[in-house]
Formats: sequence, structure tokens, C-alpha cells
Amino acid sequence: GDSVTQMEGPVTLSEEAFLTINCTYTATGYPSLFWYVQYPGEGLQLLLKATKADDKGSNKGFEATYRKETTSFHLEKGSVQVSDSAVYFCALTLANQAGTALIFGKGTTLSVSS
Amino acid sequence: EPEVTQTPSHQVTQMGQEVILRCVPISNHLYFYWYRQILGQKVEFLVSFYNNEISEKSEIFDDQFSVERPDGSNFTLKIRSTKLEDSAMYFCASSDYLTDTQYFGPGTRLTVL
Repeated sequence: GDSVTQMEGPVTLSEEAFLTINCTYTATGYPSLFWYVQYPGEGLQLLLKATKADDKGSNKGFEATYRKETTSFHLEKGSVQVSDSAVYFCALTLANQAGTALIFGKGTTLSVSS
Repeated sequence: EPEVTQTPSHQVTQMGQEVILRCVPISNHLYFYWYRQILGQKVEFLVSFYNNEISEKSEIFDDQFSVERPDGSNFTLKIRSTKLEDSAMYFCASSDYLTDTQYFGPGTRLTVL
């Protein structure tokens, strides 16, 4: 069935290090892809999205490129900060329209130390 | 910036009791959703709702669950007879009719004893 697989965490980095969190997906058709972030004690916040192949989503220094050939949507940031410590969720919807369920990965915990 | 709100933030109940979780979606959004996250597990879709009807639901959303838009601003999830395994964080989300981007509330932590 349709699913999202994320790299196992936790990921522990020093401030200013480069971040990659891997995400691959299995889906029929042409899904939209998302990254959500959950800061400690808070809900899920949309970080970025991409709706078609080769689209790049970006926000707050984070980027992810929709790679149809490798069915991937890896999250990257060039220089992480302590404030980036959170749980990151990769997700997809199976149709580029409202009302469709989001399918989430298990989440990857990022811990950044100064 | 408009946001989704949820009440209460934490609900403790006894097994077999009914609970109602409340959400206020973003005001111009037309699609509403409930998800849950059992501790240490994935966020799972429960149901989506549009135009006063369920538009999609998962296998989890059985007869014990119901949703309602009782007025112009609230969206509720009712669990009729709670079980221990219903203990989870429940997230409400909303989206407008143009895109599939969903905006989430902060969640309600439900603890069933």
C-alpha cells in the first residue's frame, strides 16, 4: 500500500552542521509531498511542500526536492541551529486536492547542541 | 496569522466513558480532519469532513467514533465508549477548497484509565 519511510532517529548534530533527513515514498499516481515539524509541546506545523516532480519546496532555510525517479523527498538544511531541534515528519497525499488523507512517516527526532 | 485551535489540551477519562474533543478550524476553510498519534507511533488519519458529510475515513474510524459540525465554527470528534487503546494525541486540521495543504491544531492528549 501507499506509505512513507523516514530514516530512523534520533539525529544528533552540532550547531551549524549540515542536515539531511531521508524520506522515500510508495504511492500510486502522483502524490503531493510535505514536511511537517513538531516542536516540543506543540502541534504539527507545515514546513514545506512540493506537488510535482522536480519541484523544490523551501522554508526557513530547509529545502526538499521531489524526485520521482528515486521516489524521494529528502529534507536538507545547510546550517542547523539549536532552535531546529524538533521531530520532523514526511508525509504525502494521494491526490492534489482538498479532503485527501495525509499519510505520514514515523518521524525523525533532530537534536542540535551548541 | 489564523490558526486551528483545540480544546481541551489534555483530557483524562475512565474506560467506557464518552469524550468529545473540540476544534475550531481556520475560519475560511471548508475541509476538516482528525488524526491521532499513539505515543511513539505514526500520525494516523481518522476522518475528513466537508459540507456536513464525511468525505473519507480510515479503518480506525469505526462506529465508536463520530464527527459533527454543531455550529459555524466548531468541529468535534466524539468517542462513545473509550477504550484503553484510544489513549493518544488527537490532532484536528483544516484546509481550504483549493489545495491539499492541511493546517494542524496543537492537539488534545487523551488519557483513558
